[in-house]
Amino acid sequence: GDSVTQMEGPVTLSEEAFLTINCTYTATGYPSLFWYVQYPGEGLQLLLKATKADDKGSNKGFEATYRKETTSFHLEKGSVQVSDSAVYFCALRTGAGSYQLTFGKGTKLSVIP
Amino acid sequence: DTGVSQDPRHKITKRGQNVTFRCDPISEHNRLYWYRQTLGQGPEFLTYFQNEAQLEKSRLLSDRFSAERPKGSFSTLEIQRTEQGDSAMYLCASSLEPRGRGEAFFGQGTRLTVV
Repeated sequence: GDSVTQMEGPVTLSEEAFLTINCTYTATGYPSLFWYVQYPGEGLQLLLKATKADDKGSNKGFEATYRKETTSFHLEKGSVQVSDSAVYFCALRTGAGSYQLTFGKGTKLSVIP
Repeated sequence: DTGVSQDPRHKITKRGQNVTFRCDPISEHNRLYWYRQTLGQGPEFLTYFQNEAQLEKSRLLSDRFSAERPKGSFSTLEIQRTEQGDSAMYLCASSLEPRGRGEAFFGQGTRLTVV
């Protein structure tokens, strides 16, 4: 079945450091890929998405590129801020049926001043 | 629009009791999803509705679980005879298909603790 593997956390970075959170997937067909973010006390929010190979999703300084050859969708940001502290989830969706999402376990990011 | 609303936000119940959660999706959204999230894990799909029809159920949804969306608007998720293993965050999400292309908007969740 479909699955998503993302790097174990927690990740602690200093402000302005470079961020990479690795995500790889296993899926049948051609999935769409997503990053969701969950800030403390809030619900999941869509951060960015990519629907086909080589697409780059971007939002709020975060980027991720859909790499079909390596089945990866790594999240990057050049300079993190304290306000980026949250849990980040990589997810995929296959098929044109239910549009259900398959999530990774999440990576907790803490950014310290 | 206030987004997806879930009620209650927290629920503590004794083992064996029944509980019911409510989800109010974004008003024009035709699809509604329920997910369950346990500590340290990502959300796991439980079931979804297209308008009032329940079209898919995960094998995670045992026969103690039932979900309804009677008028294609709000939805309820009921758990009968709760067990400690039911303790989790229950998330609701909605989307507008096909125009929304599967982009799901999540509520803040209902955290269930079974004691």
